[in-house]
Amino acid sequence: RKEVEQDPGPFNVPEGATVAFNCTYSNSASQSFFWYRQDCRKEPKLLMSVYSSGNEDGRFTAQLNRASQYISLLIRDSKLSDSATYLCVVNRDDKIIFGKGTRLHILP
Amino acid sequence: SAVISQKPSRDICQRGTSLTIQCQVDSQVTMMFWYRQQPGQSLTLIATANQGSEATYESGFVIDKFPISRPNLTFSTLTVSNMSPEDSSIYLCSVEEGETGHTYEQYFGPGTRLTVT
Repeated sequence: RKEVEQDPGPFNVPEGATVAFNCTYSNSASQSFFWYRQDCRKEPKLLMSVYSSGNEDGRFTAQLNRASQYISLLIRDSKLSDSATYLCVVNRDDKIIFGKGTRLHILP
Repeated sequence: SAVISQKPSRDICQRGTSLTIQCQVDSQVTMMFWYRQQPGQSLTLIATANQGSEATYESGFVIDKFPISRPNLTFSTLTVSNMSPEDSSIYLCSVEEGETGHTYEQYFGPGTRLTVT
């Protein structure tokens, strides 16, 4: 079983809709969690860290569920510019482990 | 966050040759890393570049193939040696920033797209 798993998608979502995706991690000792965004042929960019209590940044909400070992990302009022691959990242014992990413296409 | 640049941004190389990729950061950082991202795949950590000592390599990566230098806290190089087509990939430098007791976050350079023919 992979340590970090994501649905590869693609998620095709109309502009303005709300979309959510999850990421599961297998090691309960994982300590910190992040969502990165990667545009085609570009480097990953940090979208947001995920805190235990959940956190929100504008249209983006991240949640952590330690009991079920998953993190989620919710995007409200999606924009065309949200089209990208979203990478789930888990930090365990100072090792950073990347998921393969979920591709999101926002449709006009 | 730190501003990270990489050179070259892309290159096409012949098999059997070597390429050195440079990573420059605009501030001093303790932790620098080198990653590889093959087409359609996620990022794989190659090694941690340690200032003043040998790099720490991940399983499956060795110093003879991927020698790394870290002469100071703002610069590192990764060499891809004796290249084969399987080395065609994007190579990314990253740095870690954060405060003690808080979450450390990673930031990436723009990457070097390598094609080996």
